Amino acid sequence: GAVVSQHPSRVICKSGTSVKIECRSLDFQATTMFWYRQFPKQSLMLMATSNEGSKATYEQGVEKDKFLINHASLTLSTLTVTSAHPEDSSFYICSAGTSGRKNEQFFGPGTRLTVL
Amino acid sequence: DAKTTQPNSMESNEEEPVHLPCNHSTISGTDYIHWYRQLPSQGPEYVIHGLTSNVNNRMASLAIAEDRKSSTLILHRATLRDAAVYYCILPQGGSEKLVFGKGTKLTVNP
Repeated sequence: GAVVSQHPSRVICKSGTSVKIECRSLDFQATTMFWYRQFPKQSLMLMATSNEGSKATYEQGVEKDKFLINHASLTLSTLTVTSAHPEDSSFYICSAGTSGRKNEQFFGPGTRLTVL
Repeated sequence: DAKTTQPNSMESNEEEPVHLPCNHSTISGTDYIHWYRQLPSQGPEYVIHGLTSNVNNRMASLAIAEDRKSSTLILHRATLRDAAVYYCILPQGGSEKLVFGKGTKLTVNP
């Protein structure tokens, strides 16, 4: 149990376009979802925390107007990278927590974004 | 998050035990100790967590020092599939936020 999926797994887009990444908890209700970014050979960097039905809380230095997060239901959160540029190319990973297993987070497989 | 210190890398041989250390001298009394691992090109995976007592699960054991200023993740018999970056994380104050450091890159030799 406690599976998190992400879609798409890979995306290549042109500079200036917007890209939406979906994160779904498949067999549990996620009270909180998190979005991370990981550049090559670096660790994960937390971008934002989202709770269902409320606005996301962004970490310092993360542009909320560029990285739009929508947590529409207890099983779905989306991250939209608006007007993507080559420097936004990265590995984007979501995770989900549930109130029943508070000390565990369940991570998605990640989405590789390449902006040309 | 309370600061953690881990070695950058470690090596092990297949089927031998591996002890991955983590120092967290500024840990507070309510901080849980979490371990996650990340295999190449994948999202991280929960391994184990504990507060004061040693913990065991099917993946690993967590040995926590009596003063809680350090802990050790123990893989009892390393396999090639255990090659990953292992992260020791202390979310503060009951927060669900995980702040990842650089972790320890474990190489398992056949």
